[in-house]
Amino acid sequence: GAVVSQHPSWVICKSGTSVKIECRSLDFQATTMFWYRQFPKQSLMLMATSNEGSKATYEQGVEKDKFLINHASLTLSTLTVTSAHPEDSSFYICRISGREGTDTQYFGPGTRLTVL
Amino acid sequence: GQQLNQSPQSMFIQEGEDVSMNCTSSSIFNTWLWYKQDPGEGPVLLIALYKAGELTSNGRLTAQFGITRKDSFLNISASIPSDVGIYFCAGQRSGNEKLTFGTGTRLTIIP
Repeated sequence: GAVVSQHPSWVICKSGTSVKIECRSLDFQATTMFWYRQFPKQSLMLMATSNEGSKATYEQGVEKDKFLINHASLTLSTLTVTSAHPEDSSFYICRISGREGTDTQYFGPGTRLTVL
Repeated sequence: GQQLNQSPQSMFIQEGEDVSMNCTSSSIFNTWLWYKQDPGEGPVLLIALYKAGELTSNGRLTAQFGITRKDSFLNISASIPSDVGIYFCAGQRSGNEKLTFGTGTRLTIIP
């Protein structure tokens, strides 16, 4: 299956700072990337869908000015958490999808964000 | 956002026992997926189902896509310690659309 990486795997930052999380598709052209957030002992909740070269589509209740998504190439999408606060502490996971559709149900390993 | 109803929420079993969990939805999906997530890691795809009524196996795992397209189940036979983790179902309406996740089933093996 496709190989997906995320960087960093974990990050600790002070409240008010911005954090950038990268999601890379190592061997697959990901035309679409999805960003999820998972709080402890909860399921994954979709934050936004990004298509290469166009603006991301955000789920209801997710602030697009706070969670900036850039999908500039078929192998890289970034999620920037701006002015992070403790309530943004979570596990952020990306998922890739491509033109092939049904064969691309692969997630990245996740990034643990802790905001102090 | 919407979540699928997944049951049971947690299971405590002994090694060697069989496990069964299911997922139900109020709406139709055209693809059902089952994932396993270990602590601190992303979900790993176990089985993908693309056709109503389909029964698919992956080693000791068997999953079925319900005829109504509103449910799916996952069975694990002869459980082993490495089966411990959280299992999520997910539904999808078409190939590149978002996944809707179940609430998860936490599997624990009692020594």
